[in-house]
Amino acid sequence: AQSVTQLGSHVSVSEGALVLLRCNYSSSVPPYLFWYVQYPNQGLQLLLKYTTGATLVKGINGFEAEFKKSETSFHLTKPSAHMSDAAEYFCAVTESDSWGKLQFGAGTQVVVTP
Amino acid sequence: SAVISQKPSRDICQRGTSLTIQCQVDSQVTMMFWYRQQPGQSLTLIATANQGSEATYESGFVIDKFPISRPNLTFSTLTVSNMSPEDSSIYLCSVFGDRATGELFFGEGSRLTVL
Repeated sequence: AQSVTQLGSHVSVSEGALVLLRCNYSSSVPPYLFWYVQYPNQGLQLLLKYTTGATLVKGINGFEAEFKKSETSFHLTKPSAHMSDAAEYFCAVTESDSWGKLQFGAGTQVVVTP
Repeated sequence: SAVISQKPSRDICQRGTSLTIQCQVDSQVTMMFWYRQQPGQSLTLIATANQGSEATYESGFVIDKFPISRPNLTFSTLTVSNMSPEDSSIYLCSVFGDRATGELFFGEGSRLTVL
């Protein structure tokens, strides 16, 4: 069975500061991992994904995440926060035997202060 | 990526009534997925809708409460039956963005408020 834990339901960062959102997963098989962003009153948009290969993946809007198997983690980072990064971020995992069924974390609300 | 249109985008409903949400995709897809996002919570898969067969429901969701239709490869509906305030949620339709990786592409969602 797969599961996702996001540490911190709310994160406040200053504009220009590092954004770090933590995600840990559990999976019985090699997982496929995703980060989605949800802006207010909108649907979900894919930021980035890890499937196989390079463990550091780059996504849209300057975000990147690193898959660390030994730590079962997939933390999301962005070197410098912009006001437009204010949104809710979801980490998700799926396995090859449950295609279409994404297991989402509880989400982290990011607030960016001037 | 696919373009997914959902109707209604939002609605306010009375307790005990039913509402049907429509999902239209701009390309033919075999599988469509319905998710629910309750207020302040994460997303949960309700069911998978395959064209030409009965929908497959996840644990905790039943067909009588959430009947789904899938009449063709570009369209699906989800009905929320006999609504109660606990059904107030965002309901999202999704399709594969990348079938090889299980990545999903989501519509804008339908925000239902039940009074």
